Amino acid sequence: QAVVTQEPSLTVSPGGTVTLTCGSSTGAVSSGHHPSWFQQKPGQAPRALIYDTRNKHAWTPARFSGSLLGGRAALSLSGAQPEDEADYYCLVSYSTTLRVFGSGTKVTVL
Amino acid sequence: QVQLAESGGGVVQPGGSLRLSCAASGFSLTNHQMHWVRQGPVKGLEWLAFANYDGTRAFYADSVKGRFTISRDNFNGALYLHMNGLTIEDTAVYHCATDLQWTLASWGQGTLVTVSS
Repeated sequence: QAVVTQEPSLTVSPGGTVTLTCGSSTGAVSSGHHPSWFQQKPGQAPRALIYDTRNKHAWTPARFSGSLLGGRAALSLSGAQPEDEADYYCLVSYSTTLRVFGSGTKVTVL
Repeated sequence: QVQLAESGGGVVQPGGSLRLSCAASGFSLTNHQMHWVRQGPVKGLEWLAFANYDGTRAFYADSVKGRFTISRDNFNGALYLHMNGLTIEDTAVYHCATDLQWTLASWGQGTLVTVSS
């Protein structure tokens, strides 16, 4: 069973930039894994941010962007706002029957 | 506006069964492939099942294959998850979500399932 790893926690200053990454125990994450990213605030359902590596949903703020970085999927937040404080999860799709979420990164804006 | 509302959760004994429902509003369920995902206290987010537009194709995570069944009633705008042989490890909040190019685009708030004796 594949394991998807993320940084447990990261801190960013207001207005600053932070990059979250998402790795796979099976090797490099590629565009073929269709990595996607989700934001979850306390008491709320996850909200989709990025799909298929770098595509934004209509509701995704422009300060979020997705990419591949050194064999890992990456989510960058440029110009962090207090409301961006949340847990962030990636999803790696290995196949139609194997889709694995990462364990999540807690982002603090401080 | 896409809205999804799950229901049917509750407390069930180990070995028991439960049927979860997901009511779709603001859009036609016929136009979307759908997923079930759960979020538990130990395993975190876990993808469970996928159904294509008319429910003729379904895929499951190994952890629930043979125990859970996803189904849909497009006419009434409903998605279901039939769960059998429940164990303590199935305790979680269960979400339904719409599919979009290998991701889960819109999510419901979820319904809590607690498996306990």
